[in-house]
Amino acid sequence: QQQVKQSPQSLIVQKGGISIINCAYENTAFDYFPWYQQFPGKGPALLIAIRPDVSEKKEGRFTISFNKSAKQFSLHIMDSQPGDSATYFCAGIGGSEKLVFGKGMKLTVNP
Amino acid sequence: NAGVTQTPKFQVLKTGQSMTLQCAQDMNHEYMSWYRQDPGMGLRLIHYSVGAGITDQGEVPNGYNVSRSTTEDFPLRLLSAAPSQTSVYFCASSRIGGTDFHHNEQFFGPGTRLTVL
Repeated sequence: QQQVKQSPQSLIVQKGGISIINCAYENTAFDYFPWYQQFPGKGPALLIAIRPDVSEKKEGRFTISFNKSAKQFSLHIMDSQPGDSATYFCAGIGGSEKLVFGKGMKLTVNP
Repeated sequence: NAGVTQTPKFQVLKTGQSMTLQCAQDMNHEYMSWYRQDPGMGLRLIHYSVGAGITDQGEVPNGYNVSRSTTEDFPLRLLSAAPSQTSVYFCASSRIGGTDFHHNEQFFGPGTRLTVL
């Protein structure tokens, strides 16, 4: 059972464009939703995270939008840059520290 | 701080061989975990530990053993490697017991790329 579903699997945008990654979760015990960014050959690193009682969180060019009733959340990358090219994972975490990841989305930002 | 370190970076095994993937952290984190990453599958939890002497199974534990004798180290053992265990393995660590506002950040190592022939 996949508890966190992520789409699309890949995305190509032009420099300066907006990248949008969507996730949906099933486990209502999740109480924290982090996004991880992974560059080729590296381990994932925390990018931004949100609690389900907050509808939006913004850090620089990265914004999470959260819809608790629909059990959906999304990451928006504004003014996308070639340096943002990476794989992005959404995740959910509940009472324990166990992260449940989506399958990931490979973002390519063309110059 | 070195953070989370993993050795080796690359490994090729033959079917049936055994080996241990090493993971160490110098941040005094209570929680440590192992994930495997396969194309199109995301990261899946293999085993985790909430402290020395305490381990538990994750989503895909079959074929793997772990132990946690110290806070710093969390080795992953493959007793009899199979081609299905070809993957990239990541170790992660974090503190336990976040605030009411957030869970603690999990820090990932650089990974071990394992090929089983």
